[in-house]
Amino acid sequence: GAGVSQSPSNKVTEKGKDVELRCDPISGHTALYWYRQSLGQGLEFLIYFQGNSAPDKSGLPSDRFSAERTGGSVSTLTIQRTQQEDSAVYLCASSLLRQASYEQYFGPGTRLTVT
Amino acid sequence: SQKIEQNSEALNIQEGKTATLTCNYTNYSPAYLQWYRQDPGRGPVFLLLIRENEKEKRKERLKVTFDTTLKQSLFHITASQPADSATYLCALANTGNQFYFGTGTSLTVIP
Repeated sequence: GAGVSQSPSNKVTEKGKDVELRCDPISGHTALYWYRQSLGQGLEFLIYFQGNSAPDKSGLPSDRFSAERTGGSVSTLTIQRTQQEDSAVYLCASSLLRQASYEQYFGPGTRLTVT
Repeated sequence: SQKIEQNSEALNIQEGKTATLTCNYTNYSPAYLQWYRQDPGRGPVFLLLIRENEKEKRKERLKVTFDTTLKQSLFHITASQPADSATYLCALANTGNQFYFGTGTSLTVIP
């Protein structure tokens, strides 16, 4: 079946511009996560959506970052006024939160380069 | 805040040997610990979960241990193969909702 998809796969933008990154989770998965991975770094948690609950935004690094999830499915991560330090791979994951594993299914990521 | 450390240096081993990767953590008492595999240019892929009340878990050639006293997990790949070459990430959580990831260890299995 279809996995998690993300678009675009690569994005180059100029400093100061806004960008939108999209995530299509696996159908039926109630949980959706956004992470950021910089070169040589681990995955940095950004935001978590679970069903109709208020999202956990505790990982967002600044108020330039925001995310929404429409209809419990597709999610968009928006970065306003991009800075060079925002350059990273942005990964989305979805999960059924099955207690046997809490397995997260990751998309291929969006590589963002801010020039 | 919680700190999660994995082998900072890349690990190179000979094919057929057992690879052992470590995941150490501080300032945290996780109830769950996961291991993921990540290949270049791709998202991580789930391998195993172990709970705080489990000492060891196995899956095919993989074995994971979880020592809550030492605050450490060991990840073993027995009879390693070149196809096992990848970066391996550990992830910890208190609940099943939010996992904190380590920086990963790069493993190369030499034929």
